[in-house]
Amino acid sequence: EAQLVESGGGLVQPGGSLRLSCGDSGFTFSRYWMDWVRQAPGRGLEWVANIHPDGDQKHYVDSVRGRFTISRDNARSTLYLQMNNLRVEDTAVYYCATEDGTFDPWGQGTLVTVSS
Amino acid sequence: QSALTQPPSASGSPGQSVTISCTGTSSDVGHYNYVSWYQQRPGKAPKTMISQVSQRPSGVPDRFSGSKSGNTAFLTVSGLQAEDEADYYCSSYTGSNNLWVFGGGTKLTVL
Repeated sequence: EAQLVESGGGLVQPGGSLRLSCGDSGFTFSRYWMDWVRQAPGRGLEWVANIHPDGDQKHYVDSVRGRFTISRDNARSTLYLQMNNLRVEDTAVYYCATEDGTFDPWGQGTLVTVSS
Repeated sequence: QSALTQPPSASGSPGQSVTISCTGTSSDVGHYNYVSWYQQRPGKAPKTMISQVSQRPSGVPDRFSGSKSGNTAFLTVSGLQAEDEADYYCSSYTGSNNLWVFGGGTKLTVL
């Protein structure tokens, strides 16, 4: 059974940077679109970005475009999210998920807190 | 792209049925059959309950069903059980710059 595990979250000051990682086990990572979805404390889910299996197509929600970069290493079965110029409103649990007409499976999430 | 519209809460007694709506536009829910429903318990990751409007993944009880009419999708939970108490979110593909959009979530309470 597929399993995704995120890492890299933590506390960062506004304007700072973080890189999230998402590793998989149990399925053919390189065949699927991969996504990041976030959830601010006490709020709903928000789609953040996705990336084509080959890594050549990337899409972002308006609020992160130009600040966040999604990438992948198929040889390592790992998905990344480089987050620069972080804002307080980026505070959230960040989930990675496989996209195949739906988001499934999901990782357990990693918390990013942007605060001074 | 605005979030899809869900009622903030829904409730029912054990054994009853409850339906949660998810209203979008002709550019998302009304145009694509990539509508999904997710169950989220406190502190846990979302779990897919319905994909592509009405497909139930392996392991999801058949008490859960999905449908769509026009720009609105629906999740119906029949034979409510205490374990169904959770937050439920819908999502839809949009085909626009912001490719995917979620609903604001519905808190389902089993009375």
